[in-house]
Amino acid sequence: RKEVEQDPGPFNVPEGATVAFNCTYSNSASQSFFWYRQDCRKEPKLLMSVYSSGNEDGRFTAQLNRASQYISLLIRDSKLSDSATYLCVVNNPGGSYIPTFGRGTSLIVHP
Amino acid sequence: DGGITQSPKYLFRKEGQNVTLSCEQNLNHDAMYWYRQDPGQGLRLIYYSQIVNDFQKGDIAEGYSVSREKKESFPLTVTSAQKNPTAFYLCASSSSTGGYGYTFGSGTRLTVV
Repeated sequence: RKEVEQDPGPFNVPEGATVAFNCTYSNSASQSFFWYRQDCRKEPKLLMSVYSSGNEDGRFTAQLNRASQYISLLIRDSKLSDSATYLCVVNNPGGSYIPTFGRGTSLIVHP
Repeated sequence: DGGITQSPKYLFRKEGQNVTLSCEQNLNHDAMYWYRQDPGQGLRLIYYSQIVNDFQKGDIAEGYSVSREKKESFPLTVTSAQKNPTAFYLCASSSSTGGYGYTFGSGTRLTVV
């Protein structure tokens, strides 16, 4: 089983739609979780951290479910500019804190 | 402004050549990382360093070498032993535990000619 798994998509949605991505992780001791956004041929950029209590930033909501070992990202009122690849990142403890990246979920928002 | 700078943006390598990719950060981060990304693929860890003068191999270290002589700098050398070096190379840095996330440079696109 891969450490961090994401549905690669693409998710093809119209403007204004609500879309959700999930990401599962295998290490139950994982402590830190993040969603990154990567545009084509660019570097990944931090979208938001994921806290145990969940967190919201405008149209974006991230949640953590430790019991089922997954994190989610919800995007409401999708914009054309939301089209990108969304990477799930899990930070595992155990002396090194090396991040593990999912392969990303591609989102395409069309008019 | 604090950040992480990679250079060059584009690099062309002839067969049998070694090339060095630069990565400099002024974020006072202890940890630095090198990743490789191939088209349509995820990020694969090449090397990482959590403290000056120390570094560890990642998942795909063969054909690569690094040094960490200064906290701010973590250069990556792609040696002639790396048989398929054409890829997008990303450098990142973080605090020692990564609890605040990882900051990436803008990347170097390496092509073998």
